[in-house]
Amino acid sequence: NAGVMQNPRHLVRRRGQEARLRCSPVKGHSHVYWYRQLPEEGLKFMVYLQKENIIDESGMPKERFSAEFPKEGPSILRIQQVVRGDSAAYFCASSPGEGSSPLHFGNGTRLTVT
Amino acid sequence: GNSVTQMEGPVTLSEEAFLTINCTYTATGYPSLFWYVQYPGEGLQLLLKATKADDKGSNKGFEATYRKETTSFHLEKGSVQVSDSAVYFCALSEVYSSASKIIFGSGTRLSIRP
Repeated sequence: NAGVMQNPRHLVRRRGQEARLRCSPVKGHSHVYWYRQLPEEGLKFMVYLQKENIIDESGMPKERFSAEFPKEGPSILRIQQVVRGDSAAYFCASSPGEGSSPLHFGNGTRLTVT
Repeated sequence: GNSVTQMEGPVTLSEEAFLTINCTYTATGYPSLFWYVQYPGEGLQLLLKATKADDKGSNKGFEATYRKETTSFHLEKGSVQVSDSAVYFCALSEVYSSASKIIFGSGTRLSIRP
């Protein structure tokens, strides 16, 4: 079984452009999570989605950020009009959903805003 | 709300030394507890978990015991190796309705000297 696949691995955007980060969960996993990690810092929860539903977006900035997990295809984290402060590693994780199930993480997308 | 507090790093030890990384949590109900490890340039990997009080999780020589009375889940290893150098994250799972969300501590960087 393939693990969580994230692409691109590295993404460079100029200020004001849009960034689209993709995540394909482990086959059979219906729960997807996005986390942001700043250099030398821990993981900050952003959003938790199930197929076609946002369950918890309490960690997502109110403006410029959006996430979706459509019925078909990968989950997408979209950042509009990027700013330098958006530079970070963005990790996607998936799980089958039970409370004691661990998360399976992708290797992350490292976004650099120039 | 629920939270995880772990010992600040960096922690630097000599090879074969004894390791303890402290972790305490605040939670309502009975969360599951986890330790994840992150090697450079990679996503997080599950190291071990415990799902109820007095459970001991163990893997690769690492151990942690779920202590409800002290709300702790300290990570220990009797003899560390250079290959254990990584960032370690303590985490708990919140469970609400049929969904769950995992909350991470801030991470502890461990460096092992040969």
